[in-house]
Amino acid sequence: NAGVMQNPRHLVRRRGQEARLRCSPMKGHSHVYWYRQLPEEGLKFMVYLQKENIIDESGMPKERFSAEFPKEGPSILRIQQVVRGDSAAYFCASSPPPGQSPYGYTFGSGTRLTVV
Amino acid sequence: AQSVTQLGSHVSVSEGALVLLRCNYSSSVPPYLFWYVQYPNQGLQLLLKYTSAATLVKGINGFEAEFKKSETSFHLTKPSAHMSDAAEYFCAVMDSSYKLIFGSGTRLLVRP
Repeated sequence: NAGVMQNPRHLVRRRGQEARLRCSPMKGHSHVYWYRQLPEEGLKFMVYLQKENIIDESGMPKERFSAEFPKEGPSILRIQQVVRGDSAAYFCASSPPPGQSPYGYTFGSGTRLTVV
Repeated sequence: AQSVTQLGSHVSVSEGALVLLRCNYSSSVPPYLFWYVQYPNQGLQLLLKYTSAATLVKGINGFEAEFKKSETSFHLTKPSAHMSDAAEYFCAVMDSSYKLIFGSGTRLLVRP
């Protein structure tokens, strides 16, 4: 049973380019969460999605960032016109629908974005 | 709103010594609490979780944590540190909308 798959593991972008980060949840998991970890900091919530629906995007920057989880295919976190401050590790996690015990996410290995 | 405070950004212990990583939470409802470990350049691995069953929770790799409501604490312990325990440890609380709120992390250093 494959875990949460994120790709690419490392991504280098020049300032102004677009970054696309992909996340395939664990089999049977219908809910996806994106977190950002800045250097030497903890993880900060960005967005929570289920298929074709954004449930909570309270942690997303207002501009340049968007996320989707289509009916088919992986969840995508998209960052337009990247700036150096976007350099971070981006982690995806997945879970069954809340209410199904046990609670808890499974995290992917992350995508490390470097903006040069 | 829920929040988590981890005391000590760095903890250093000798191999074989007791490991104690502190976590205090704030929650207006009975909390779900978690400890995750992160090895360098890797993702987060769940060590253990408290979901209102037993207050003493045993996890992987010999770690355990005790939920103390009166102290709003969920400290992580291991009787005897091993070199392979060197990593960063995150405490987290789940909020009412199923988001995990993380502490700022504690880096555990294990001295030979």
